[in-house]
Amino acid sequence: KNEVEQSPQNLTAQEGEFITINCSYSVGISALHWLQQHPGGGIVSLFMLSSGKKKHGRLIATINIQEKHSSLHITASHPRDSAVYICAVTPDSNYQLIWGAGTKLIIKP
Amino acid sequence: SQTIHQWPATLVQPVGSPLSLECTVEGTSNPNLYWYRQAAGRGLQLLFYSVGIGQISSEVPQNLSASRPQDRQFILSSKKLLLSDSGFYLCAWRWSGIPYEQYFGPGTRLTVT
Repeated sequence: KNEVEQSPQNLTAQEGEFITINCSYSVGISALHWLQQHPGGGIVSLFMLSSGKKKHGRLIATINIQEKHSSLHITASHPRDSAVYICAVTPDSNYQLIWGAGTKLIIKP
Repeated sequence: SQTIHQWPATLVQPVGSPLSLECTVEGTSNPNLYWYRQAAGRGLQLLFYSVGIGQISSEVPQNLSASRPQDRQFILSSKKLLLSDSGFYLCAWRWSGIPYEQYFGPGTRLTVT
């Protein structure tokens, strides 16, 4: 079992829909990261969380430390949101990231 | 502000040829540096990380090597490329302490033919 599990693996939705991507982890962490990888390959860090909730534009990330679970939400989704969204955690034990497998999101116009 | 550079952006090399990918970071000192590889359709795989000049840790045994000749320079090398070395190579940096966020370079797409 992977230490960081994401669901779903693939998600296709219509423009305007509310999107939720989930991440569960099994290790103690110092921080959880949500990253976005566009088709060209470049990776951008969206959020780094250690508790609570963060919002940036139409993106919202939440984390429940007790349940070891985080969600990334996209409101009013748009085709330009199409990308792979990756969850990663910084474990307590060291400073390396443990990566989820990613969620491929396609937003259709 | 901090920036991270990688070059080249794309590279096509024949099997058995050498490789050198370079990554440099500006605007910070003593960063932790990372090399990742992403094979087609796969997730990110940590290859090497470095906490200081000359300090390299390898995560995956392979025909690749890394060096850190200067504080903000990280080089990924191979003496003889294999077909399986094809992929997208990403360099990343983070502060040596808190926060833990990693910042990624634009990546190098390597095709070994």
